[in-house]
Amino acid sequence: QSALTQPPSASGSPGQSVTISCTGTSSDVGGYNYVSWYQHHPGKAPKLMIYEVSKRPSGVPDRFSGSKSGNTASLTVSGLQAEDEADYYCSSYAGSNNPVFGTGTKVTVL
Amino acid sequence: QVQLQESGPGVVKPSETLSLTCTVSGGAMSSYYWTWIRQPPGKGLEWIGYSYYSGNTNYNPSLKSRVTISVDTSKNQFSLKVSSVTAADTAVYYCARDKSAGGSHIDMWGQGTMVTVSS
Repeated sequence: QSALTQPPSASGSPGQSVTISCTGTSSDVGGYNYVSWYQHHPGKAPKLMIYEVSKRPSGVPDRFSGSKSGNTASLTVSGLQAEDEADYYCSSYAGSNNPVFGTGTKVTVL
Repeated sequence: QVQLQESGPGVVKPSETLSLTCTVSGGAMSSYYWTWIRQPPGKGLEWIGYSYYSGNTNYNPSLKSRVTISVDTSKNQFSLKVSSVTAADTAVYYCARDKSAGGSHIDMWGQGTMVTVSS
């Protein structure tokens, strides 16, 4: 299982939108609707932001949205806020009850 | 509010066994997949494996020969053992709760504990 590919960094000004891609293969992202996104502030516990491609857990602002097309999933953060500055990781089911994580993207709020 | 807390040695010698425990507070262990994930310095997340509350396990194929995950519901704890460690096992280790068997709904995480493999 190879890690899913994410851009190393992304940035935007407060109020703007930023979209992060997560590219896999037909054996993971493209084959299942089980893509998740996690927000990680260093030194803290990662937080689930999106599951099953586009579902938001209770308490996650609707500024966070997820989508998928083919072998690529995306996370969009609209109306960027200072507290959104963090590392973001995607993950996907990859068969045999195994998930694979993405390489991670550092989001900077300018 | 469910909380997870990792505990264990911060330094392990090469070739020895890494042992960590995760204590679950504020909730029951039933019906969840109790999971370990790690992050080597400067790298991304790596799924290690899980134990269902009933004891069924599943491991990352790349680590399967060296990893054991077990659950003790009487103590509200689950544990990780990684044998024959090398420097490549140096990482922050996270315990987590997964609502599904395939890692698609990891809704609770511990803060992580750093483990360094060094003599």
